[in-house]
Amino acid sequence: AQKITQTQPGMFVQEKEAVTLDCTYDTSDPSYGLFWYKQPSSGEMIFLIYQGSYDQQNATEGRYSLNFQKARKSANLVISASQLGDSAMYFCAMREGGSGYSTLTFGKGTMLLVSP
Amino acid sequence: NAGVTQTPKFRILKIGQSMTLQCTQDMNHNYMYWYRQDPGMGLKLIYYSVGAGITDKGEVPNGYNVSRSTTEDFPLRLELAAPSQTSVYFCASSLLNRGPSTEAFFGQGTRLTVV
Repeated sequence: AQKITQTQPGMFVQEKEAVTLDCTYDTSDPSYGLFWYKQPSSGEMIFLIYQGSYDQQNATEGRYSLNFQKARKSANLVISASQLGDSAMYFCAMREGGSGYSTLTFGKGTMLLVSP
Repeated sequence: NAGVTQTPKFRILKIGQSMTLQCTQDMNHNYMYWYRQDPGMGLKLIYYSVGAGITDKGEVPNGYNVSRSTTEDFPLRLELAAPSQTSVYFCASSLLNRGPSTEAFFGQGTRLTVV
């Protein structure tokens, strides 16, 4: 079973509008972390935002915020006031805390295109 | 601030050839990882290392080997290249892997084509 599901292969948004990228996850571990990475056309992976399973508030980083709904196991990325430079591939990832070591598991990604 | 450095950035291999993808980090991170990224498939973990001398398999290790003789370096070896290994390869590192909040830092990627 997939641990991270991103159901939107592609999203389109106009400049200055807000957009939500969906991410659902599957884990039985009560301790886990959720990450969003941005991959522009140049190919590098850029860390955007992190949400811990025990965090009481939704994470925010500038124009990025995470809509964390624990009961629904969703961690959607919200980008406010989209800019042309936001056009990129976006990946949701999870790290489970557990009792041992763990690694990042990625979703398949969502391609976001921002139009003028 | 070099971070995670991968070489080469691009490579074309013939079927059956071998090569080593180099990865080095200067952040004194104990954890290092190799991922491959196929179109539409996200990133899949090939191997990871929790410290010098210790490596472990990820989700897709077949056809690859790794070694970790120093904290800084984590090379990935392809012994008999196959077309199925055409992909973009990312090396990453993180400081501490215990606990869920550990962010991974990525290299620029190596685009490998096997023909």
